[in-house]
Amino acid sequence: NAGVTQTPKFRVLKTGQSMTLLCAQDMNHEYMYWYRQDPGMGLRLIHYSVGEGTTAKGEVPDGYNVSRLKKQNFLLGLESAAPSQTSVYFCASTLTGGTDTQYFGPGTRLTVL
Amino acid sequence: AQSVAQPEDQVNVAEGNPLTVKCTYSVSGNPYLFWYVQYPNRGLQFLLKYITGDNLVKGSYGFEAEFNKSQTSFHLKKPSALVSDSALYFCAVSPTGFQKLVFGTGTRLLVSP
Repeated sequence: NAGVTQTPKFRVLKTGQSMTLLCAQDMNHEYMYWYRQDPGMGLRLIHYSVGEGTTAKGEVPDGYNVSRLKKQNFLLGLESAAPSQTSVYFCASTLTGGTDTQYFGPGTRLTVL
Repeated sequence: AQSVAQPEDQVNVAEGNPLTVKCTYSVSGNPYLFWYVQYPNRGLQFLLKYITGDNLVKGSYGFEAEFNKSQTSFHLKKPSALVSDSALYFCAVSPTGFQKLVFGTGTRLLVSP
């Protein structure tokens, strides 16, 4: 089992460019999450999904879109990147949500110039 | 609104000494509480969780945490710290019936030889 994988690992964008971050899990988990991690602010939830074909907004959804077309994949899109989106992005998955343990990917470090 | 507070940005302890990393929470209803650890340039790893039952929860790598409902706290402890315990520690809460976690801002633990 690879667990949760994220691509790419690093990316540098210019302001206004777009990109998609891919998260994949091979544990047949229903729930998937996208977080961003910024110094002194911990992890903040961007969007999440409770199953294939579903998405919901988290704490900081503005400027991001997501899709969950396949159960194992959760995509995070930035349509027009801004310097404020410079961050480390983590994907996580869990079988049932709530009480269940979240399994995290290794992260994507994004810099927007 | 649900929230988690980790009042210490950093905790310093000498190897072999006991360590405590503090966490307090605010939720409506019964909380589900978690501790995660993050090593440099890695994703978060699950340490332990409290769902119900015994207030003292034992987890990975010799860590334990005590749930105190009256003080709304869930402090992480270890009887004898190791240099390899040096990492960033996150407390998180999931209110009953919720599908997602709310994370604290993290506490950096530095264990000196």
